[in-house]
Amino acid sequence: QVHLVQSGAEVKKPGASVKISCKASGYSFTNYAIHWVRQAPGQRPEWMGWMFAGNDDRKYSQKFQGRVTMTRDTSATTAYMELSSLRSEDTAVYYCARNPPRTQTLDSWGLGTLVTVSS
Amino acid sequence: QSVLTQPPSASGTPGQRVTISCSGSSSNIGSHYVNWYQHLPGTAPKLLIYSSIQRPSGVPDRFSGSKSGTSASLAISGLQSEDEADYYCAAWDDSLNGQLLFGGGTKLTVL
Repeated sequence: QVHLVQSGAEVKKPGASVKISCKASGYSFTNYAIHWVRQAPGQRPEWMGWMFAGNDDRKYSQKFQGRVTMTRDTSATTAYMELSSLRSEDTAVYYCARNPPRTQTLDSWGLGTLVTVSS
Repeated sequence: QSVLTQPPSASGTPGQRVTISCSGSSSNIGSHYVNWYQHLPGTAPKLLIYSSIQRPSGVPDRFSGSKSGTSASLAISGLQSEDEADYYCAAWDDSLNGQLLFGGGTKLTVL
């Protein structure tokens, strides 16, 4: 059974960075991409980008280019998303989701990580 | 700016059929598949429909998807109380060097 287990809630000050982990199990980690999606309170989900776990391929949303970094540790079957220069508008629940190859589908999601940015 | 538009709310009584629409444009729904997700707050979003009309294994056949031109729809027949949730459409968009778009979500209430 596919599981994506995310790290716990974070509280950060404006200007700081946050790094969220997404531990994958139940499937071959390096055969899939991991996407990151966030949802601020009362807002629609917002796609941040993806990273293929099998190599260094990645694509970031233009909105987050320069502030987001997606990495992975294949030995730990874990994906990471780091967002820098945090501001209050970055307060949201951040989700990782699995993307099967050659599809436009996110077929399994993590529970989400709440990031609160507050001074 | 590309956007996917959904009605903010929908409702029905148990056993009824409800439909949720998702309107886009030629750069997203008109060119790409649509996926639908069910989300209960505090839980992981669940894939309901992929490739516009396909159902993942384990999703009841009460859920069905359709697409025509730049619009898509999710239909739920035989409505059940457990269907009360937020529903989101999503589609890839060709603008801004490619991005995944989500609809604003539809809150389904089972009366």
